[in-house]
Amino acid sequence: GESVGLHLPTLSVQEGDNSIINCAYSNSASDYFIWYKQESGKGPQFIIDIRSNMDKRQGQRVTVLLNKTVKHLSLQIAATQPGDSAVYFCAEKTDAGGTSYGKLTFGQGTILTVHP
Amino acid sequence: DGGITQSPKYLFRKEGQNVTLSCEQNLNHDAMYWYRQDPGQGLRLIYYSQIVNDFQKGDIAEGYSVSREKKESFPLTVTSAQKNPTAFYLCASSKRASAEQFFGPGTRLTVL
Repeated sequence: GESVGLHLPTLSVQEGDNSIINCAYSNSASDYFIWYKQESGKGPQFIIDIRSNMDKRQGQRVTVLLNKTVKHLSLQIAATQPGDSAVYFCAEKTDAGGTSYGKLTFGQGTILTVHP
Repeated sequence: DGGITQSPKYLFRKEGQNVTLSCEQNLNHDAMYWYRQDPGQGLRLIYYSQIVNDFQKGDIAEGYSVSREKKESFPLTVTSAQKNPTAFYLCASSKRASAEQFFGPGTRLTVL
């Protein structure tokens, strides 16, 4: 079956370092990928997304890279801060029967811990 | 402020009881979703609704029911048929054609 998964379940970094969180996907028909951040006991928050016709997109301190050849997605966080500590999920969007409904399939998640 | 609200934040239920989780949004979004999250796992889709008076089963709909009588509201009922209901439940909404889903704060359900 189709799935979205993560290479590393945990990542620990020092404050100020750059962080890279990886995600592998298997559905080559997915046209949209999203990264969410979830803090403990809260709902996920949208970070950044990327369409399948792009290979890179930048936001504020975050960059998402998409490599369709190897079906790999990554989230780079520059100058990581303690407030970045959270669980990060990648998700892929797959259409249902040609409708515009954005069904998301979520990966397992990576726990990012930033040490002061 | 626009957003999604879920209530209650914590909910305790005895085995054999049905319980309803509330989800309200004032974002004027057409689509709404319910997810279940278990410790150390990602989100799994229970039900979704693209429009009022219409909804479809997600990947793990057994033991759950929903209604969509109003655009703003998408309540989820966890029935006694759900064998392992203890989990964190998340509601989300999106514009019809957008992939970005906005999530509520979640309800943690514990079966005693």
